[in-house]
Amino acid sequence: GAVVSQHPSRVICKSGTSVKIECRSLDFQATTMFWYRQFPKQSLMLMATSNEGSKATYEQGVEKDKFLINHASLTLSTLTVTSAHPEDSSFYICSARRGQQGVSYNEQFFGPGTRLTVL
Amino acid sequence: GNSVTQMEGPVTLSEEAFLTINCTYTATGYPSLFWYVQYPGEGLQLLLKATKADDKGSNKGFEATYRKETTSFHLEKGSVQVSDSAVYFCALKPEGGFKTIFGAGTRLFVKA
Repeated sequence: GAVVSQHPSRVICKSGTSVKIECRSLDFQATTMFWYRQFPKQSLMLMATSNEGSKATYEQGVEKDKFLINHASLTLSTLTVTSAHPEDSSFYICSARRGQQGVSYNEQFFGPGTRLTVL
Repeated sequence: GNSVTQMEGPVTLSEEAFLTINCTYTATGYPSLFWYVQYPGEGLQLLLKATKADDKGSNKGFEATYRKETTSFHLEKGSVQVSDSAVYFCALKPEGGFKTIFGAGTRLFVKA
């Protein structure tokens, strides 16, 4: 099956620093990747959708200058949390969709998540 | 708009008990429906899916049937195990869309 990896799995940083999280599709090309945030004991909240080679589309209420998303290749997307604060502490999960842009294939694969703790 | 509603947890069962987690949805047309499972500290794994009305998704002893008339996709398992303890998310993908919409999740505890 298709595999999506995330790195790092856990990160602890100081307030004010920036943290980069990588999401990779290991055995398929992902034209679209999604970034979710999950608060403790809650559901996933979609933060943004990124298509390879173009700017990410952010959901309402998500600060694009704080959560920088880059989808530079068909196998890699990165989420950078800039000037992190304790309230940014959360579980961040990426998902990669296999298929052609504009075609609604029902194949979406999730990474294992990255737990960010900001002190 | 599109939305998913699932029963609140936590659900606590003894091993070998029957499991039902209710899920209903609101969407136009024929969305695809999914159940995902999240084990502690991990990401989501697709458990099963159904893409059209009356389809039954099944995997690892879990089943769910796409009921268009009741807009439901209830998850069932005949005999749960301790290893089934996890959070279960019902989700939908709108017809023609590509964003997955998740329910709030239901935490399941299975006692030995």
